[in-house]
Amino acid sequence: DTGVSQNPRHKITKRGQNVTFRCDPISEHNRLYWYRQTLGQGPEFLTYFQNEAQLEKSRLLSDRFSAERPKGSFSTLEIQRTEQGDSAMYLCASSLGRLDTQYFGPGTRLTVL
Amino acid sequence: GQQVMQIPQYQHVQEGEDFTTYCNSSTTLSNIQWYKQRPGGHPVFLIQLVKSGEVKKQKRLTFQFGEAKKNSSLHITATQTTDVGTYFCAARDSGGYQKVTFGIGTKLQVIP
Repeated sequence: DTGVSQNPRHKITKRGQNVTFRCDPISEHNRLYWYRQTLGQGPEFLTYFQNEAQLEKSRLLSDRFSAERPKGSFSTLEIQRTEQGDSAMYLCASSLGRLDTQYFGPGTRLTVL
Repeated sequence: GQQVMQIPQYQHVQEGEDFTTYCNSSTTLSNIQWYKQRPGGHPVFLIQLVKSGEVKKQKRLTFQFGEAKKNSSLHITATQTTDVGTYFCAARDSGGYQKVTFGIGTKLQVIP
């Protein structure tokens, strides 16, 4: 399967704990996006990488959120000191070049108790 | 910041009826994309529109981009139960930034 993969698919954690999610994009794609989606809403942009450079970050993203893409391939999204409001589906997407069709992964569903 | 408004939020149609969802932006867009998300699934790319006034068709689906590049529509002719899902428009403004703003989506239910 050469699509976008995300791990884990589900994560249940207690409030205050740190969590980390991983995204493996389509191999030749140099652009990688993270989104958050809650029930009944569209995906909300969090951040964007071109290769290893993080070029944009949503102002909605608090300091508890950090993302990395150290070698320009896979990416990780870490949430520190989770809060119940962080419960959502976290989606990763990748794209190639100017056409910028985004291919989404299956998402990681986070539940904060 | 850029806002993308999408209407309606919900639509129930009888199988065989047509369906249209509309997307409007407060700013001029560089392009607009449409995605479909099935229940429990992730967004799947349908199409991208770039040119002013552009119209593209995919079988029973017709996509339009407004002349002013501020609005777009998706029309489905003769809906089928396989069309069930939420349809999102997603737009990047003409400022050249990479942030993509999604609409709230239109959830389509098709009654057999």
